[in-house]
Amino acid sequence: DAGITQSPRHKVTETGTPVTLRCHQTENHRYMYWYRQDPGHGLRLIHYSYGVKDTDKGEVSDGYSVSRSKTEDFLLTLESATSSQTSVYFCAIRPRDLTYEQYFGPGTRLTVT
Amino acid sequence: AQSVTQPDIHITVSEGASLELRCNYSYGATPYLFWYVQSPGQGLQLLLKYFSGDTLVQGIKGFEAEFKRSQSSFNLRKPSVHWSDAAEYFCAVGHSPIQGAQKLVFGQGTRLTINP
Repeated sequence: DAGITQSPRHKVTETGTPVTLRCHQTENHRYMYWYRQDPGHGLRLIHYSYGVKDTDKGEVSDGYSVSRSKTEDFLLTLESATSSQTSVYFCAIRPRDLTYEQYFGPGTRLTVT
Repeated sequence: AQSVTQPDIHITVSEGASLELRCNYSYGATPYLFWYVQSPGQGLQLLLKYFSGDTLVQGIKGFEAEFKRSQSSFNLRKPSVHWSDAAEYFCAVGHSPIQGAQKLVFGQGTRLTINP
């Protein structure tokens, strides 16, 4: 258990509304990641963070923004949700002393109608 | 660019039978390779990893994987599967496009079904 929680676990929202997903970790890890999982695509990196206020884009960042004002929280925001953003979203952490190795949260299932 | 291919989208095996899940990667240097498992409705759990050294690595739940540089492969094996092994399996390779930005690139996943 990497001490990662995600909230909400499930959400249904309408097209055009803003949505914020939260990832919370209890072990003070510096590196955090947001992925989306879609059938046939595996997991794709949206954004990642290497410290408070330090974030960068992943391969599928369009339509998403992130913020990290505290070490323990990494927020993913969909400014105006679209149906193509219906997906399962996973947060992950990487312990500083491990190379590439990441540990995942339980996921958030988001449906945009 | 780094990439991972899992050629089999779905595999069905009988309980007690052996299992091999295929993974091929594209990477210029010595890769950092991982296998993760995802049970239905759950997050991903690390099964095993390869960084260097012995090319046959042991993981949790009785799984092992073999790194073959000549074939750019990192196949996952288990001698005898159990019904609880039904899940989706993901292969991943470490990728650092810039200094300090350690990322994972995932394959598409292989869904494993176990017949009783």
